[in-house]
Formats: sequence, C-alpha cells, structure tokens
Amino acid sequence: KNQVEQSPQSLIILEGKNCTLQCNYTVSPFSNLRWYKQDTGRGPVSLTIMTFSENTKSNGRYTATLDADTKQSSLHITASQLSDSASYICVVSAIFGGGATNKLIFGTGTLLAVQP
Amino acid sequence: DAGITQSPRYKITETGRQVTLMCHQTWSHSYMFWYRQDLGHGLRLIYYSAAADITDKGEVPDGYVVSRSKTENFPLTLESATRSQTSVYFCASSEPGQGVHEQYFGPGTRLTVT
Repeated sequence: KNQVEQSPQSLIILEGKNCTLQCNYTVSPFSNLRWYKQDTGRGPVSLTIMTFSENTKSNGRYTATLDADTKQSSLHITASQLSDSASYICVVSAIFGGGATNKLIFGTGTLLAVQP
Repeated sequence: DAGITQSPRYKITETGRQVTLMCHQTWSHSYMFWYRQDLGHGLRLIYYSAAADITDKGEVPDGYVVSRSKTENFPLTLESATRSQTSVYFCASSEPGQGVHEQYFGPGTRLTVT
C-alpha cells in the first residue's frame, strides 16, 4: 500500500533556530518527492521537488534531502522566521495513467509553530 | 494572473441538500483535480480530469459528481450532502509535459454539513 508518514506531528521552535522534518514513504512506482508548505486557510504551495536521481535541493532557507534507497526524506529549515509557521506536507508522486500524469500520495503534515 | 480560484470559500449546508463547489483556472492546464483534506488524513483525491469531457474517479469518489464541459472549469457536486462530507476541498491543476507535473492548488473551500 502506498503510504507517506511524517514526523513529528507538530513542532514548536524559537525564531532563528533550525529544525528538521522527516518523511518516510512506501510508494511505487516512484516518480518524485515534493515538500509543500500550507499556511492556515490556504492551499499547499510547492517548496521543492526531487526526482530519483537528486539527493538534495534547496529553496532559500529550505533544504530537502532524499535517500531513495531507504525511502526517506527530510526538510531542513534554517534560521526560522515567524512566517515559517505552517503545515509542511511531504508528498510522493507515483507514475500514473501510463505516465501522462502523476498520482500524489500525501503525508498528514508536520505542524510547525515558530515563536518569537 | 488569477491562477486557480475556488468558490465559495466557505459554505454551510444541510444534510440532504445538493451543493456545488466551483473551480476555475486561467492557465489552460489539461489536468484538474479535486481533493478533500480532513484531520488525520493527508489530502485525498476525489476525482480528476485529463481534459474537457474526460473525468475519472480518485481514491474517495462516493457521493460526488464532477463535470468538465470547459477546460478552465471543474465543478464538484455533492448530490445529497452528508455530515461525513464536512471537509476542506481543494482544487488543483497541472499540465503534462512540464517534467514533474507540478500541481497548483486553489485556496480551498471549507464545507460544513449540518
């Protein structure tokens, strides 16, 4: 069964600190792994997308890693800001429909609160 | 650039009523999707559409109906709403041929069925 599990469920950190969020998955056939940021009351917004051959990708203060052998990914946030408070969702994409599009399997997210 | 919009943003309805959630995208993307988001679950796919007049079921299609007469619109109808359909609904769109098939999400519709 295709599954994406994230940890921790929630996290509180102080502004300026770093944090790392974890994602484990069992998805086949694997296409790519994405991290989304979802602010309260908004739709998810893509932060990074990594294919099988990529093991790290950065987007500003966000750095995602992927270990396709162990089927694990992490999202590291550096020098956190109050605006980083959001839910971070790990999403694994499976090849679907003969490759015409991808089927997304969503984790339940890690709720991050950055406090001043 | 309006992108992808959903309406209404909030809706309260009674059990048994029919309700339609609207989704509109301005990018002319071929693919459109409807998801629901509930506590304790990741987003789950309800229906998707590969093009106008082509739709298919996702993971949780029961109780929902979709149509796609125009590329830019993808309405989702709950024919007889039930309390279990209380959720936040997200529409998304994507275009094949852009490598990783990035999906772009709308702002969501919060539906409460009383």
